[in-house]
Amino acid sequence: DAEITQSPRHKITETGRQVTLACHQTWNHNNMFWYRQDLGHGLRLIHYSYGVQDTNKGEVSDGYSVSRSNTEDLPLTLESAASSQTSVYFCASSESLDWEQFFGPGTRLTVL
Amino acid sequence: RKEVEQDPGPFNVPEGATVAFNCTYSNSASQSFFWYRQDCRKEPKLLMSVYSSGNEDGRFTAQLNRASQYISLLIRDSKLSDSATYLCVVNSGYSTLTFGKGTMLLVSP
Repeated sequence: DAEITQSPRHKITETGRQVTLACHQTWNHNNMFWYRQDLGHGLRLIHYSYGVQDTNKGEVSDGYSVSRSNTEDLPLTLESAASSQTSVYFCASSESLDWEQFFGPGTRLTVL
Repeated sequence: RKEVEQDPGPFNVPEGATVAFNCTYSNSASQSFFWYRQDCRKEPKLLMSVYSSGNEDGRFTAQLNRASQYISLLIRDSKLSDSATYLCVVNSGYSTLTFGKGTMLLVSP
């Protein structure tokens, strides 16, 4: 069955370190998204991609970057982790831009 | 005005009760509307899409009022397993989805 996976599921890191969160989908969807979810804010869009070599900034993109070298993967990189980036990160993909998004299980990141 | 607003709750209801959630959105150009369900510490999952004519899926009924920019979700005969956070989701008009902060539902025996 097609699915979307994230790794690691839990990560603890230190301030200033570079961290990369992986997202892999086997739906063959062109559209992929990264969100963070914090208490009081709900899901906020970080970056998204409409296809290979395409990336776009979302609502809260500062301090994050993505790259899309193939259809299946959209890794999210925190260039220099900050405590404010402690959050739960969800990756999602969709077949159509305004249709259902399928979410990965999430990565819980703690920056100390 | 926030793009998508929901009553955060929590809504505490007994099993068998009927409960309704409301959501308002600010972008009049929005075209697609959804309700997602999120269980504690899990990923959001699509519950149902919301169509202009209103739609029903078992115990769940969703309605859209474009004139008032308002979406609703009605749950009849609540079950313990309905306890979750319900997210109102709107296509922002810029080809991405905007999520409300969610309404928490707690169904008790």
